[in-house]
Amino acid sequence: DIQMTQSPSSLSASVGDRVTITCRASQSISSSLNWYQQKSGKAPKLLIYAASTLHSGVPSRFSGSGSGTDFTLTITGLQPEDFATYYCQQTYRTPPLTFGGGTKVEIK
Amino acid sequence: QVQLVEFGGGVVQPGRSLRLSCAASGFTFRSNAMHWVRQAPGKGLEWVAVIWYDGSDEYYADSVKGRFTISRDNSKSTLYLQMDSLRAEDTAVYFCVRDHSSNWPYSLDNWGQGTRVTVSS
Repeated sequence: DIQMTQSPSSLSASVGDRVTITCRASQSISSSLNWYQQKSGKAPKLLIYAASTLHSGVPSRFSGSGSGTDFTLTITGLQPEDFATYYCQQTYRTPPLTFGGGTKVEIK
Repeated sequence: QVQLVEFGGGVVQPGRSLRLSCAASGFTFRSNAMHWVRQAPGKGLEWVAVIWYDGSDEYYADSVKGRFTISRDNSKSTLYLQMDSLRAEDTAVYFCVRDHSSNWPYSLDNWGQGTRVTVSS
C-alpha cells in the first residue's frame, strides 16, 4: 500500500500568515492527490483534488501543487475560519485509499 | 444540495454485529461510487470500504476485510455497512462519503456528519 506522510503534524500561525503543508507519498502517485479540511467535531470537506484543482466553493487563498511523490497545500492569508486539521489523501491505483496523518493548524 | 445522513451507530459488545445505513439525497445516487471512512477518537482518517455505482464491485481495508460488508440499494438511495465480529479497535465515527467517480476512486467530494460506533463490554 502507498504510505502518505504529512509534515508538520502541527503548526502555529497568525491571521494573515502564509502557511505551507507538505505531503509525501511512498511512491509516485502522479497527480492523484486530494486535500481535505476538518474542523473540530465536524466532517472533513474536500478542498483540492488532482493535486491542484480547487473544489467548488473553496476560497482562492487555498492552493495545491506537486506531482510524483511531493505535494504542497498553501494557504495565502490565513483566516480565522482556516484553523483546522488538514489531510492529504491519494487515489492512485486505489483501492486502498490512504490518508496522511494530518496537520493541525492552530492560532499563534 | 447533496445530503448524506448516517444511522445505526451505538454501543455494542466485542464480537457482536451492527449495521450502519446512509440515506442519500440531492443527487443521482446510482451514478456515484460510495465509501465508508472512519475516525477513531483523537486519531486521523482511515478509509474502510468502497462500492461501485452499480454495486458490481467492492473493496475493503485490510483491517476490516472478512468482517465488514458494504452494500447499496440504489432504489432506496441508501448505502450500508454490515459490521460483524466487532473489536474494540473498530470504535470510531463512521462517515458515509460520496466519490466524484462512478467506480475507480477519484475524490471524496461530499461527507455525511458521521455516526459513532463504540465497541465495549
